[in-house]
Amino acid sequence: AQRVTQPEKLLSVFKGAPVELKCNYSYSGSPELFWYVQYSRQRLQLLLRHISRESIKGFTADLNKGETSFHLKKPFAQEEDSAMYYCALYITGGGNKLTFGTGTQLKVEL
Amino acid sequence: NAGVTQTPKFQVLKTGQSMTLQCAQDMNHEYMSWYRQDPGMGLRLIHYSVGAGITDQGEVPNGYNVSRSTTEDFPLRLLSAAPSQTSVYFCASSYTRAGELFFGEGSRLTVL
Repeated sequence: AQRVTQPEKLLSVFKGAPVELKCNYSYSGSPELFWYVQYSRQRLQLLLRHISRESIKGFTADLNKGETSFHLKKPFAQEEDSAMYYCALYITGGGNKLTFGTGTQLKVEL
Repeated sequence: NAGVTQTPKFQVLKTGQSMTLQCAQDMNHEYMSWYRQDPGMGLRLIHYSVGAGITDQGEVPNGYNVSRSTTEDFPLRLLSAAPSQTSVYFCASSYTRAGELFFGEGSRLTVL
């Protein structure tokens, strides 16, 4: 069965420091991967998806099929980046089922 | 634009009681789903629907029932509440199979 692993429950960095939120997946087919974010008192929302290959709010994520990873990166953390981040996997033929990881709480300290 | 609306936002139940969490979306999305969010476990899929009249089970369907009589509404029913169902429940919808999920604000349920 497909699985998404986010090894860090909490990641604390200082403002201006680089950020890397780890995500590994297990799936033998061609995955579609997403990062969702939940800011305090806001709804869970899509941050970015791998097929778009875009940068959103300074964040990027590259799909590495060899390492089955989809790490989220940002070169310089900002205070407003503090949030819960979820990595999610979609598999073809799965309806609209997304499998989510357990989430990483990012805390950016001043 | 309301998006995905969930009611109630908070609910306390006693063990054995039943209730329905309401979910409505005004974006004409075919795909809708219910997730529960528990500390350390992320979001787990309960049930989902790919269109009116079609529902299917997700990862943790036991103790929950759903129906999809219209495109807009996707209620989640707890048949006989148990303390293990204490959680935050999220409804989500999307336009396509692998499209962006739009989430509701969540419903916090406590079962005593």
